[in-house]
Amino acid sequence: GEDVEQSLFLSVREGDSSVINCTYTDSSSTYLYWYKQEPGAGLQLLTYIFSNMDMKQDQRLTVLLNKKDKHLSLRIADTQTGDSAIYFCAEILRNTDKLIFGTGTRLQVFP
Amino acid sequence: EPEVTQTPSHQVTQMGQEVILRCVPISNHLYFYWYRQILGQKVEFLVSFYNNEISEKSEIFDDQFSVERPDGSNFTLKIRSTKLEDSAMYFCASSEENRNYGYTFGSGTRLTVV
Repeated sequence: GEDVEQSLFLSVREGDSSVINCTYTDSSSTYLYWYKQEPGAGLQLLTYIFSNMDMKQDQRLTVLLNKKDKHLSLRIADTQTGDSAIYFCAEILRNTDKLIFGTGTRLQVFP
Repeated sequence: EPEVTQTPSHQVTQMGQEVILRCVPISNHLYFYWYRQILGQKVEFLVSFYNNEISEKSEIFDDQFSVERPDGSNFTLKIRSTKLEDSAMYFCASSEENRNYGYTFGSGTRLTVV
């Protein structure tokens, strides 16, 4: 199937870390992505990870990949109110052009 | 930073009318895509376009839909005889030859069919 699953909501206090989880479907996906969608805006590519990596760090963002369990996570350190948005994980299925998105996790940051 | 531009940002149309959604992809990108997001639902793949032809399309992309690259810069999505259920946010995206580095999306066109 093509279902990429995420929890729907996450609420964190400003300054805390946020962890957004994703379970993807295609074990042969070579790249996995995290996109951010702010209210009324488009999809902004935040980061991606190659499947032969376990972890990738990019400033406040840390991506962890467990290929055996097909589990991807995005950790945002020192979460700010500007991080409030919907976060989508995504994968490109093998031998296709299709970028398949997860259901999206709405992150709400409160002061 | 280069960006994908979509126009209009919001389109209201009557059921049964035809609409054309316009996109200007990033100039050196070779792959072009349309996605849609019905309110509160997932972002869904519609079609990919490469070398002046459709390379892949989803089940959603039936005869009601068509895409075109009429000149060297624009990429359009035409929806014939719109239905109420076509109301959604439509996103255009483009990517380099190496698609592994991700797709760049436009800010979307909100289509409302009344």
